[in-house]
Amino acid sequence: EDKVVQSPLSLVVHEGDTVTLNCSYEVTNFRSLLWYKQEKKAPTFLFMLTSSGIEKKSGRLSSILDKKELFSILNITATQTGDSAVYLCAASVGNNRKLIWGLGTSLAVNP
Amino acid sequence: NAGVTQTPKFRVLKTGQSMTLLCAQDMNHEYMYWYRQDPGMGLRLIHYSVGEGTTAKGEVPDGYNVSRLKKQNFLLGLESAAPSQTSVYFCASTAGTYGYTFGSGTRLTVV
Repeated sequence: EDKVVQSPLSLVVHEGDTVTLNCSYEVTNFRSLLWYKQEKKAPTFLFMLTSSGIEKKSGRLSSILDKKELFSILNITATQTGDSAVYLCAASVGNNRKLIWGLGTSLAVNP
Repeated sequence: NAGVTQTPKFRVLKTGQSMTLLCAQDMNHEYMYWYRQDPGMGLRLIHYSVGEGTTAKGEVPDGYNVSRLKKQNFLLGLESAAPSQTSVYFCASTAGTYGYTFGSGTRLTVV
């Protein structure tokens, strides 16, 4: 059975800290790994990763994929209170591009 | 550039009533998906479509039907609403080569 597991489930940090969120996957017909941020509304797209070892960056956020060890990490440096959200990881699989979702990591950044 | 539009945003139904949720995208995406999101359960796939005129079941299809008569629209129907269908419903679409775009969600309460 396809599955995506995220850790930790929740995290509380102080502004300015650096955090690393983990996502491991066991799926068939893997196509890509996606990261989303969800506040109290719809998920918003962060990154899509298809190749191992190539870091993607967007401001203070970065992510990398390891297709050999079947995991990805999302790093957030110099965290701000606006980074407080649930971070979702999903694996896109098969020709129908279905997403297999993890349960998310709830991040709280305290001032 | 609207992206993915879901209507309605909120709805309260009585048990046994029927309704249709509309998802419309203006990005010419082939793939469209309906998810429900419940606390502690993550995002679960209800039905999906890989192109106009095609639909397929996801992991939680019971009690729902879908149609994709036009490429830009994906309709989700509840034939006879039950309290267990109280949830937040998200529609998403993708061209398959980049990220998935989500609608803003429909918060449905069945009493």
